[in-house]
Amino acid sequence: DQQVKQNSPSLSVQEGRISILNCDYTNSMFDYFLWYKKYPAEGPTFLISISSIKDKNEDGRFTVFLNKSAKHLSLHIVPSQPGDSAVYFCAARRANNLFFGTGTRLTVIP
Amino acid sequence: NAGVTQTPKFQVLKTGQSMTLQCAQDMNHNSMYWYRQDPGMGLRLIYYSASEGTTDKGEVPNGYNVSRLNKREFSLRLESAAPSQTSVYFCASSTDRFYEQYFGPGTRLTVT
Repeated sequence: DQQVKQNSPSLSVQEGRISILNCDYTNSMFDYFLWYKKYPAEGPTFLISISSIKDKNEDGRFTVFLNKSAKHLSLHIVPSQPGDSAVYFCAARRANNLFFGTGTRLTVIP
Repeated sequence: NAGVTQTPKFQVLKTGQSMTLQCAQDMNHNSMYWYRQDPGMGLRLIYYSASEGTTDKGEVPNGYNVSRLNKREFSLRLESAAPSQTSVYFCASSTDRFYEQYFGPGTRLTVT
């Protein structure tokens, strides 16, 4: 049973526009959420995180929003750049485990 | 500063063979992890080591064993490989349990 879901396998965005990647989760016991970016043939790279006690965290072009009542997480990238083209994974922490979504492939079109 | 290194990068095994995947980190991290990634699925935790001298099972531990050799090194062993273990294996480390993790480049394993 997938506890963390990324329902959009892919997303295409024009360079300079906003990219919004979404993530839904089912377990209200998750206390920490993370986003990772992955290029082909490389390991995932940490992007940004948020604690369950917050609803927003910002780092440069990346902002993560958490809506606990909806059990929904989103990552906003503004402005999008061609180098942002990659697969993005959300992950959620509970006790001694980290649960990953299946990923969304973002393509930023120059 | 190499970060997290994994060897080998690629491996092909026959069913029933054994092998050990090696992982090392040079960031003085306390916690280390092994994940597998299968097509169309997210990463799934196999085993982790919260600190030197301890290891614990993750979500999918069956068919694997691990050793935290010292603070730097965490190995994953397949005693009798099965085709279901064909996957990409990632090692990761972090300062504390399940916070920001740094990943290695992965090992692509095929079991025929």
